[in-house]
Amino acid sequence: DSGVTQTPKHLITATGQRVTLRCSPRSGDLSVYWYQQSLDQGLQFLIQYYNGEERAKGNILERFSAQQFPDLHSELNLSSLELGDSALYFCASKGSGYGYTFGSGTRLTVV
Amino acid sequence: DAKTTQPNSMESNEEEPVHLPCNHSTISGTDYIHWYRQLPSQGPEYVIHGLTSNVNNRMASLAIAEDRKSSTLILHRATLRDAAVYYCISDTGKLIFGQGTTLQVKP
Repeated sequence: DSGVTQTPKHLITATGQRVTLRCSPRSGDLSVYWYQQSLDQGLQFLIQYYNGEERAKGNILERFSAQQFPDLHSELNLSSLELGDSALYFCASKGSGYGYTFGSGTRLTVV
Repeated sequence: DAKTTQPNSMESNEEEPVHLPCNHSTISGTDYIHWYRQLPSQGPEYVIHGLTSNVNNRMASLAIAEDRKSSTLILHRATLRDAAVYYCISDTGKLIFGQGTTLQVKP
């Protein structure tokens, strides 16, 4: 157990639908990062939050959005899903002086 | 973001040391060098990080060149469980992953 919890572990949904992925960071970590890993593109940085505020954006589609709540957990919302959104989605957190800690991911399958 | 360059793949024999190189010639003076590894369908796992001095932990050692343009991750005795993709990344406040080095460990 890395200390970063992601739910659900697996998700199967149809094209056009909307899903929410959840991430609880390691205790005390204020920063949360979201990554997408599909077979042909490696690990892609999507977005970073720090203590509730958006800090950095990467290759995140407009159909995707995220937020970080006062209790520091974060949610990644994916809407109007397409087949190409099928991927592993990882969340990571970071505290001061440590490396980044990744969760075990959510495997999203869009059918 | 500073670009890092790693060999696509490397092979090692079990119980032998492995030296994984990384070039990061454009790294900023204040950015830490991080190493992560990833097994199939698992999240990346933190290995080690450092700024200027060489670093050791229970998993590995990190040797950083004096000019900080390159670094080497050292696994002292490779095991079959060390077979993974290893990523070298400069931490600019977020991690931008490259293709990494796929390490094969032969028994």
